[in-house]
Parts: sequence; C-alpha cells; structure tokens
Amino acid sequence: DQQVKQNSPSLSVQEGRISILNCDYTNSMFDYFLWYKKYPAEGPTFLISISSIKDKNEDGRFTVFLNKSAKHLSLHIVPSQPGDSAVYFCAASVNFNKFYFGSGTKLNVKP
Amino acid sequence: DTGVSQDPRHKITKRGQNVTFRCDPISEHNRLYWYRQTLGQGPEFLTYFQNEAQLEKSRLLSDRFSAERPKGSFSTLEIQRTEQGDSAMYLCASSSPTVLGREKLFFGSGTQLSVL
Repeated sequence: DQQVKQNSPSLSVQEGRISILNCDYTNSMFDYFLWYKKYPAEGPTFLISISSIKDKNEDGRFTVFLNKSAKHLSLHIVPSQPGDSAVYFCAASVNFNKFYFGSGTKLNVKP
Repeated sequence: DTGVSQDPRHKITKRGQNVTFRCDPISEHNRLYWYRQTLGQGPEFLTYFQNEAQLEKSRLLSDRFSAERPKGSFSTLEIQRTEQGDSAMYLCASSSPTVLGREKLFFGSGTQLSVL
C-alpha cells in the first residue's frame, strides 16, 4: 500500500533557480511529514519537517509547504546549488510511529 | 550525538547462507527502526522497537527475518536462508519522539547486502 507517492522520478534545474519537489499522500491520519536527502551509498539525511498544524516551514534555502485538503506537500529549494543534486524522499507518520517513505525524486542541479 | 552506526557496510553472501547485521543507535534514543531499500525505491519499513520491545513488524517480512534489541541499546537483524531477492540496502534509524528535535529519524549509512 503506497501511502506516500512521489510521482516525478527526476527533476533537472539550473543553478540559482528554484527546485520544487512534490509529494502526495493518501492517509488523512498522517500528522508529521519530513524530507530527506540521500547520496549514493549513504543513509538518508534529514532536511526539514512539518507538523500537520502548520502549512509552511522554512529553514534557510529550504521551505516545505503542506496542503492538507489536497493531501499534498512540496519542498522548495531556492536558490538551487549543484551540491543539492541528490535523491529526495518525503516521509509521513502518524504520531511519530513508523514512517512511510515515497519512492524518491532525483534532483540534478546543473551549473 | 555520535550518529547511528551500522556494521558491516557491505556483505556478500551465497544464497542459502544466514547473515546478521548490527545497528548501534544514537545513545538515549529509545526508538530503533529497520528499513530496506532497493534501487529506485524509497526505504521500506521492516520493523521497529521502543526500548527492547518490538512494537511492529511489517507483514512483508517473512519468517526468515528476525530482529532483536536485547537491552534496548544495539539491535541485530538476521536473515536466514538468504535469497537473491534479499539483496538490498538495509538501513537502521533511531529517534526519540518525546524529545523536541529528536522525533525525526536519524539514519545510519546502511548495510549493502548482495546475495549471489
């Protein structure tokens, strides 16, 4: 049961522009969402999170938006840098129990 | 926080052999998770512990898989009679959901298993 979906397997953007990564979920009970970044042969590293009581959270160049009615969240990276090139996963949980992950979006930021 | 440590980083084994992986979570994290990731997919939940208690095990996990966390600190994941379909990256993560800032998952670097 794919409760978290990332429908874009890849995204390519120019350095300095905005990267927008999208994620959809089906379980309306999810109340905590996270974004992770992963390089090859490494474990995922935490980027940013958002609770369902908020609709936006910012941390430097990274902003996560949550639209509960649409069951959709997005990660904005502005400005994009070549070092941001990685696979990005969104994840969701109910009350910090097990986390469900999407299949990932591979971001390529071109210099 | 010294980070989540997994051992070994790589394991190559022949079909039918048993393998065991170890995970040392961040100290004082009471939750420990095991995930599996294959190429092109996101991490797939296997099981998780709160202290030494195994709270949930994925229905996808066959009885060839077993995990323990005997003293609520490190954990082991054993796969018996390995099959080629077990080839994957096995990821361990820990968290401490009652502590602000520690409710997110902190992942180790994973163990890459190849079953020949």
